[in-house]
Amino acid sequence: QSALTQPASVSGSPGQSITISCSGISSDVSGSKSVSWYQHHPGKAPKLMISDVNDRPSGVSNRFSGSKSGNTAYLTISGLQAEDEADYYCSSYMSSSTVLFGGGTKLTVL
Amino acid sequence: QVQLVQSGPEVKKPGASVKVSCKASGYTFTNYYLHWVRQAPGQGLEWMGIINPSSGSTTYAQKFQGRVSMTRDTSTTTVYMELSSLRSEDTAVYYCVRTRQTYDSSAYSAWGQGTLVTVSS
Repeated sequence: QSALTQPASVSGSPGQSITISCSGISSDVSGSKSVSWYQHHPGKAPKLMISDVNDRPSGVSNRFSGSKSGNTAYLTISGLQAEDEADYYCSSYMSSSTVLFGGGTKLTVL
Repeated sequence: QVQLVQSGPEVKKPGASVKVSCKASGYTFTNYYLHWVRQAPGQGLEWMGIINPSSGSTTYAQKFQGRVSMTRDTSTTTVYMELSSLRSEDTAVYYCVRTRQTYDSSAYSAWGQGTLVTVSS
């Protein structure tokens, strides 16, 4: 199965908002209530930022939010900060008890 | 606190097998699903499979069917991932991850430190 589709890169200036998209076939992203987003700084383990489309785990800044429309999920980061610069991955849990990841998006804070 | 501690780095020759362990602590081992995820150099995250520590049942990504085996030892709260017929493309950091909730999902709230597996002749 192909990976979910994310833009290779996005960028924004400090204080701005950015949105990263994650699109896939309808049997996974659109049909799945389990879409998650991860922040990954090189050399460290990825960190769960959003689960179940729009649920933010405790300790995650409320500047991070998730949404979904049709077969595309979105991660929005508001009030960009330098430490937000990282790779971001979406994932979807499918009815076949398998998981797909997106290809990853590199966020650059200008 | 929840901890997943993985075994150390491995260097293997093409065609060999590798077995990575992941010891879980800080929670009831049989209540949460454990998955394996890998990241090759310069590449994205790739899901490999899942094991239900309670039943031992597994589901593997189609790409790894026939080459991967995930097992668990409830007495030591440890899960294992064995990958056989290694090739250079299997060079990656392998992560053991735990679901955030007791139901299965792709939301991983705990990650092991990662195990670097290098496949080289």
